[in-house]
Amino acid sequence: SFELTQDPAVSVALGQTVKITCQGDSLRSNYGSWYQQKPGQAPVLVIYGKNNRPSRIPDRFSGSSSGNTASLTITGARAEDEARYYCTSRDSNSPHLVFGGGTKVTVL
Amino acid sequence: QLQLQESGSGLVRPSQTLSLTCAVSGGSIDSGAYSWNWIRQPPGKGLEWIGCIYQTGSAYYNPSLKSRVTISIDRSKNHFSLGLSSMTAADTAVYYCARAGDFPPEHYFDYWGQGTPVIVSS
Repeated sequence: SFELTQDPAVSVALGQTVKITCQGDSLRSNYGSWYQQKPGQAPVLVIYGKNNRPSRIPDRFSGSSSGNTASLTITGARAEDEARYYCTSRDSNSPHLVFGGGTKVTVL
Repeated sequence: QLQLQESGSGLVRPSQTLSLTCAVSGGSIDSGAYSWNWIRQPPGKGLEWIGCIYQTGSAYYNPSLKSRVTISIDRSKNHFSLGLSSMTAADTAVYYCARAGDFPPEHYFDYWGQGTPVIVSS
């Protein structure tokens, strides 16, 4: 099986920038995608592909990728960005997908 | 606007089989280059991909669940379904259905259902 590794938690001061990373071998051949999940709610897609945002996602969210690492950056964090963020990717050699363990972002 | 809605048994006895259906509205399940997925989340834990099915009927499963999972698609009813056998307490979770865009090297879940809680208890 393949895995994606995320830091469990990170904090950011209000208005500052935070970068969340996701590591895994599958990211060398497939882009990761990122999801925001707030308590009691379904996940919401925030970044996919090289650096694409669904129309309803604000532009303070951006993505990047290098080697086996995908990153999600929140520039100018707001209180409503406090949530758990998950990355996902497809396996290099099969249609299987996997989620990272999630990163809890706390806005101070 | 595409919408997905899960339905099915919310309480399952141990050793029995879970059956859930995801109804797709606002779009066709026959859309090419998309897969239709089941994902679950145990209480207080992360997301786990269960498996997916394409409009062709080809299905793929998480290796850790493969022996117990069946995903099927009914194009006439515009829905797809999940079966998970031999349920135990460890299968207690919120179960989500989701559409995934399949545009290599991009793969992403763009539409999700609201999720349905499933409890395994006698």
